[in-house]
Amino acid sequence: KAGVTQTPRYLIKTRGQQVTLSCSPISGHRSVSWYQQTPGQGLQFLFEYFSETQRNKGNFPGRFSGRQFSNSRSEMNVSTLELGDSALYLCASSSGSRVGTEAFFGQGTRLTVV
Amino acid sequence: DAKTTQPPSMDCAEGRAANLPCNHSTISGNEYVYWYRQIHSQGPQYIIHGLKNNETNEMASLIITEDRKSSTLILPHATLRDTAVYYCIVRGILTGGGNKLTFGTGTQLKVEL
Repeated sequence: KAGVTQTPRYLIKTRGQQVTLSCSPISGHRSVSWYQQTPGQGLQFLFEYFSETQRNKGNFPGRFSGRQFSNSRSEMNVSTLELGDSALYLCASSSGSRVGTEAFFGQGTRLTVV
Repeated sequence: DAKTTQPPSMDCAEGRAANLPCNHSTISGNEYVYWYRQIHSQGPQYIIHGLKNNETNEMASLIITEDRKSSTLILPHATLRDTAVYYCIVRGILTGGGNKLTFGTGTQLKVEL
């Protein structure tokens, strides 16, 4: 069974640009969550999509957005990039919404903003 | 979700059991205890989770105290590959459902020869 796939693995962008990251969940999983990891703030929850609907949202500015497609693949977009957006972006997939289910993470996309 | 407290770092000799403690004194009745680990620069890896009873799988054992205010993750025979940051997470039911993991700072486990 294939795991969670994130593309690209590495990305370098310039301040002010926008970026789109992709996440393909484990087959059959309908929930995709996104996290940002920085040395200063640690792992922080961005948002979660379930059946193409955003179900939960963390405390990030509106420059961070996402969507989910009918095949459960998800993308997140960051507009007007700032240096502070440099981070490891992780996505996690889960089979459903029950609190007892586990989430599986991808390897992440390392974004560097210069 | 309830807050967790973990020691910032621990050392363990290879081949010995690694016992990683977690305090979650404000846990409520419907909240699960989850453990994840993150090896440097990789995505977090699910280890185990439990509600009340002790749990065991091929990776580890989870011991939850009777009052559920603390738990211990046990790696029975630690290897160098177990060197990682271990996160203890208490996860409850979100209004409207959903998956959200609130990560703390975790415990850096260093397994040495």
